[in-house]
Amino acid sequence: SYELTQPPSVSVSPGQTARITCSGDELPKKYAYWYQQKSGQAPVLVIYEDKKRPSGIPERFSGSSSGTMATLTISGAQVDDEADFYCYSTDTTGNHRGVFGGGTKLTVL
Amino acid sequence: EVQLVESGGNLVQPGGSLRLSCAASGFTFSSYWMHWVRQVPGKGMVWVSRINGDGSSITYADSVRGRFTISRDNAKNTLYLQMNSLSAEDTAVYYCVRDREAYCGGDCGLDYWGQGTLVTVSS
Repeated sequence: SYELTQPPSVSVSPGQTARITCSGDELPKKYAYWYQQKSGQAPVLVIYEDKKRPSGIPERFSGSSSGTMATLTISGAQVDDEADFYCYSTDTTGNHRGVFGGGTKLTVL
Repeated sequence: EVQLVESGGNLVQPGGSLRLSCAASGFTFSSYWMHWVRQVPGKGMVWVSRINGDGSSITYADSVRGRFTISRDNAKNTLYLQMNSLSAEDTAVYYCVRDREAYCGGDCGLDYWGQGTLVTVSS
């Protein structure tokens, strides 16, 4: 079955740039989506279609995709950005089954 | 304002059944594909199932196919997940999630999430 691979953790100091990667064989053909989940809360969409930002999401969140890797970049990370981040995409079987990456714990301290 | 409110989570014995509901409001429910996603507390997200606007197109994850049934009642703006033959591996918070765009084919990403309902399978 299709898998998306993320690093388990990323750590940066406040004001630094955090980059979280998501690797998957179908990403050249499928969009990646990124979700932020703070402790005890439901996930929030922060990037859709590889690089688009929903309204209300700070400009410091950006996305990119090249080949089999999608990247979420948080420029000037803030302490409040600390959360688990998940990438999401679908498979190419024709049934569009959803797939999540394993999640990345972002620590900002 | 889009709202998704799940209910029906409970403690159930292995082999038992449970039906989850998700009450939707703030948008034209029948226009959107809807999904169920689950998360074991402290672990990652797992996509479970999706259904199109009129209920005629349904897809399941391999781990639940044959045991879970997704359905919807557009007159009641409600999404359901009937779960049978439950095992400890099904213990998780279950989220109701809306497709990001109307009439998109269920492949446009997920945007609004409910707060989740906890299902615990244990004897």
